[in-house]
Amino acid sequence: DSGVTQTPKHLITATGQRVTLRCSPRSGDLSVYWYQQSLDQGLQFLIQYYNGEERAKGNILERFSAQQFPDLHSELNLSSLELGDSALYFCASSVGYGAEQYFGPGTRLTVT
Amino acid sequence: GQQLNQSPQSMFIQEGEDVSMNCTSSSIFNTWLWYKQEPGEGPVLLIALYKAGELTSNGRLTAQFGITRKDSFLNISASIPSDVGIYFCAGGPGGTSYGKLTFGQGTILTVHP
Repeated sequence: DSGVTQTPKHLITATGQRVTLRCSPRSGDLSVYWYQQSLDQGLQFLIQYYNGEERAKGNILERFSAQQFPDLHSELNLSSLELGDSALYFCASSVGYGAEQYFGPGTRLTVT
Repeated sequence: GQQLNQSPQSMFIQEGEDVSMNCTSSSIFNTWLWYKQEPGEGPVLLIALYKAGELTSNGRLTAQFGITRKDSFLNISASIPSDVGIYFCAGGPGGTSYGKLTFGQGTILTVHP
């Protein structure tokens, strides 16, 4: 158990819908990262927040957005969902900006 | 963007054998990490490397940060059935983009008892 929690574990929704994925980092960690894992693209970095502020951005689609709240939990919002958005979405956290990231169990999103 | 080439893509070995896998990049990374992922779970951090030439062990696992900073190696000695999983390398650019990891495609390890 990494100490990072993610909810929900599974999510099934239809194309065009909007969903919110939630992540709570390990106690004491200030950075939260979001990743997408799919069979064809592998593990892709989406975005990083540090203490409430966006710090780094990867290949995150404009339909996706994230935020980190004062209690340090984070939410990833995915809108206008397409079939290709079906994937595992992982949250990770670290103490600072550091590369040693600890991953949560993931949310499996299925878009039908 | 940056790409990591991880090899081999898969390995089928007998329990007790040693395993080697590597990761190469066309770009320099300032950190290298190795993760293991099992079905239905998130990646678990195995080893983190921060200096070119660094050799670090974690039990039966040993990883090295290549001196060119463009590659890294992971060795597992005396494999056991619970070593089964997908092993990922990840490179970090360092600096303010420390956390922006680039992952390899993974090496699927199967260990036959």
